[in-house]
Amino acid sequence: QKEVEQNSGPLSVPEGAIASLNCTYSDRVSQSFFWYRQYSGKSPELIMSIYSNGDKEDGRFTAQLNKASQYVSLLIRDSQPSDSATYLCAAGASGGYQKVTFGTGTKLQVIP
Amino acid sequence: DAGVTQSPTHLIKTRGQHVTLRCSPISGHKSVSWYQQVLGQGPQFIFQYYEKEERGRGNFPDRFSARQFPNYSSELNVNALLLGDSALYLCASSLGAGSGNEQFFGPGTRLTVL
Repeated sequence: QKEVEQNSGPLSVPEGAIASLNCTYSDRVSQSFFWYRQYSGKSPELIMSIYSNGDKEDGRFTAQLNKASQYVSLLIRDSQPSDSATYLCAAGASGGYQKVTFGTGTKLQVIP
Repeated sequence: DAGVTQSPTHLIKTRGQHVTLRCSPISGHKSVSWYQQVLGQGPQFIFQYYEKEERGRGNFPDRFSARQFPNYSSELNVNALLLGDSALYLCASSLGAGSGNEQFFGPGTRLTVL
């Protein structure tokens, strides 16, 4: 069983719509969660981090965490063609070192 | 402020050779982690160094080694290269060592093993 699971997509949404990206994790001791955006051929870029249950908003992005369900999501409002990329979900366990596990990513396509 | 820098950008090696990849973290960041990303997969954790000490190691063979220097820059060494080592090697820096710290990635080094 993969520790962090994401649907590989592609997820296609029309321009201006809300894109909803989902992630589940298996390690119950995971304490920190991150969303990265990765354009083709580029390195991952941190979008948001979330540590507590509930929602966290930053501009057009909202991260949602539900530790009881072991579920993390990222909503992108007013999706733009420039949002087309692969979105990586990552989970970090508690502990003294940076054991961060990444999912395989969901490819998002925003159709103009 | 400059972000994480990595060198070289691209590298082509043949099987059996060794390679050294370099990384400079964001100014003030003391933790450097190395990841391997193959096409279609998420980054896989190789090493973390914090304050010049190894703090974590992923499931990679002993052919992989790393070190961190007093200025917090880091090197990743891979010996006896295999075809399967072809990947994007990513360096990420963070302020602290724990997994709650946000990591910021460099542009990566694309390694091709022929």
